[in-house]
Amino acid sequence: EDQVTQSPEALRLQEGESSSLNCSYTVSGLRGLFWYRQDPGKGPEFLFTLYSAGEEKEKERLKATLTKKESFLHITAPKPEDSATYLCAVQAGGSARQLTFGSGTQLTVLP
Amino acid sequence: NAGVTQTPKFRVLKTGQSMTLLCAQDMNHEYMYWYRQDPGMGLRLIHYSVGEGTTAKGEVPDGYNVSRLKKQNFLLGLESAAPSQTSVYFCASSSRALDYEQYFGPGTRLTVT
Repeated sequence: EDQVTQSPEALRLQEGESSSLNCSYTVSGLRGLFWYRQDPGKGPEFLFTLYSAGEEKEKERLKATLTKKESFLHITAPKPEDSATYLCAVQAGGSARQLTFGSGTQLTVLP
Repeated sequence: NAGVTQTPKFRVLKTGQSMTLLCAQDMNHEYMYWYRQDPGMGLRLIHYSVGEGTTAKGEVPDGYNVSRLKKQNFLLGLESAAPSQTSVYFCASSSRALDYEQYFGPGTRLTVT
């Protein structure tokens, strides 16, 4: 059974204070790992796709990295508008369409 | 271009009542999905569809039925609502080529008393 665990559950940062969110996974034949952002009262919004260990993707203040067992979402010099819940999901090779989501990390960036 | 829309936004049902949630997308996506999101449990796939007239079960399909009569619409039905179905329901769609890049609707908050 595919499993995704995200930590911490919640994170409070001061504006400009860099940190990382963790996503550890167990999956039979990883097809891809994905990061989504979810604002309160809204649906998730796609951020990144990572396919293989060692791969990195960047978007503004966010950088996602992947190893064979986990992924990190690094947030550099965050701003209050980065406050959201960040969701990690995996897609196994056998289930071409199903994503398994973690429960998310709720990030709050204080001004 | 509205993306993915869901109706209604909120609904309160009594145990045993039935209802249908409607999802519509205007991106000409082949694939559509219904998820539920509960605190501490993440998004869980209920049913999905890879094309008009086709549906398949996801991780938590019991108590729900779906239909996709038109490419742009995906309906989720609850025949006899139970308190355990209290949740936030999200619809999503994606293209066949990029099925992991799912576009989500704003959600429907359902409470069953």
